[in-house]
Amino acid sequence: KAGVTQTPRYLIKTRGQQVTLSCSPISGHRSVSWYQQTPGQGLQFLFEYFSETQRNKGNFPGRFSGRQFSNSRSEMNVSTLELGDSALYLCASSLAQGVKTEAFFGQGTRLTVV
Amino acid sequence: AQSVTQLGSHVSVSEGALVLLRCNYSSSVPPYLFWYVQYPNQGLQLLLKYTTGATLVKGINGFEAEFKKSETSFHLTKPSAHMSDAAEYFCAVSDSYGGSQGNLIFGKGTKLSVKP
Repeated sequence: KAGVTQTPRYLIKTRGQQVTLSCSPISGHRSVSWYQQTPGQGLQFLFEYFSETQRNKGNFPGRFSGRQFSNSRSEMNVSTLELGDSALYLCASSLAQGVKTEAFFGQGTRLTVV
Repeated sequence: AQSVTQLGSHVSVSEGALVLLRCNYSSSVPPYLFWYVQYPNQGLQLLLKYTTGATLVKGINGFEAEFKKSETSFHLTKPSAHMSDAAEYFCAVSDSYGGSQGNLIFGKGTKLSVKP
């Protein structure tokens, strides 16, 4: 079956702009999480959605937001982009919440802010 | 608060040699522990996980890890390295009280190089 699909794969934006990233989970998966990966900070949890509700949120400013649709697809939005937002953004989906259900990661969207 | 420390940002081994990647965690509640692998320009793939039960956990591609509560460690090993093992490896911890694999605290990662 198809894996987690993230679009676009690469994105270049200018400081001050906003950006929307998309994640289509594996069919049947209802939980979607987002992570930011940078060389300096490593992998950091952004937020987790389950059945259209945000269940957990990491320590990021309010410029970072997300949502999940009824078909479990998720989007994350970053407003007023800063140079430091340049990163690989990874989405992961799992069948349900709970630590025993494996999370499957997409290939990520590489965002470059110039 | 939970945290993960991976000792050594780069590890280099010869093909056929033992692979040992170190991970220590800090958690105020019983932890759930994970190892993920990331190949260049790819997402993360779960290698193995410890939740409860047997402390020696076997994963994919011949990797295994042992949960040692007294040492707060979860080191990853593989008896014989293969060229295809070259990748970056991440140790992660989750809160066992309501935690999920969707909300993980990751270490900084260890890049494994395998020399022919």
